Amino acid sequence: SQTIHQWPATLVQPVGSPLSLECTVEGTSNPNLYWYRQAAGRGLQLLFYSVGIGQISSEVPQNLSASRPQDRQFILSSKKLLLSDSGFYLCAWRTISGEQYFGPGTRLTVT
Amino acid sequence: KQEVTQIPAALSVPEGENLVLNCSFTDSAIYNLQWFRQDPGKGLTSLLLIQSSQREQTSGRLNASLDKSSGRSTLYIAASQPGDSATYLCAVTTGYQKVTFGTGTKLQVIP
Repeated sequence: SQTIHQWPATLVQPVGSPLSLECTVEGTSNPNLYWYRQAAGRGLQLLFYSVGIGQISSEVPQNLSASRPQDRQFILSSKKLLLSDSGFYLCAWRTISGEQYFGPGTRLTVT
Repeated sequence: KQEVTQIPAALSVPEGENLVLNCSFTDSAIYNLQWFRQDPGKGLTSLLLIQSSQREQTSGRLNASLDKSSGRSTLYIAASQPGDSATYLCAVTTGYQKVTFGTGTKLQVIP
């Protein structure tokens, strides 16, 4: 069966510091991968998606970037965090039929 | 631009009641609609996926219906239990990789 991992689970970072969040998927190959952010009191916002190694599409202009160095690895990064980057970051993968499965999430607090 | 609305934002019911959660969307040209539940501080758990050609899907005590022409979906939960307490989210896919989430309905089932 497929499993999706995210780490770290929680992170507290000062403003201006760099960020790297990692997502890996097991049990499937060439998955479509997604990064979402869920801010307090707001819905999920699609940040990036990737249909293959090195292929990244950005949905929202922002302080973040994404990379996909391996088939089942998806990384979310920032060079300098802003207070507004705080939130719950979720990674997801999508099956051929269109069903999405989510990882456990990373809670990021920027202080 | 697709907009997804979930009403009510919060719902409290006694254990054993049957209940209906609503999801409406503005663009009826969707590929599919998916219902999720989210427990506090956790990732999303997939409940049901309805393809655009389908009218409903069932899983255990859950039944989801889709009416594309009116831009509506409902999630029916039979014989609610305290363990059903969570936030329920619907998400619609339109276009290529365009996923829009509603802001959710927070359900509390009182023992």
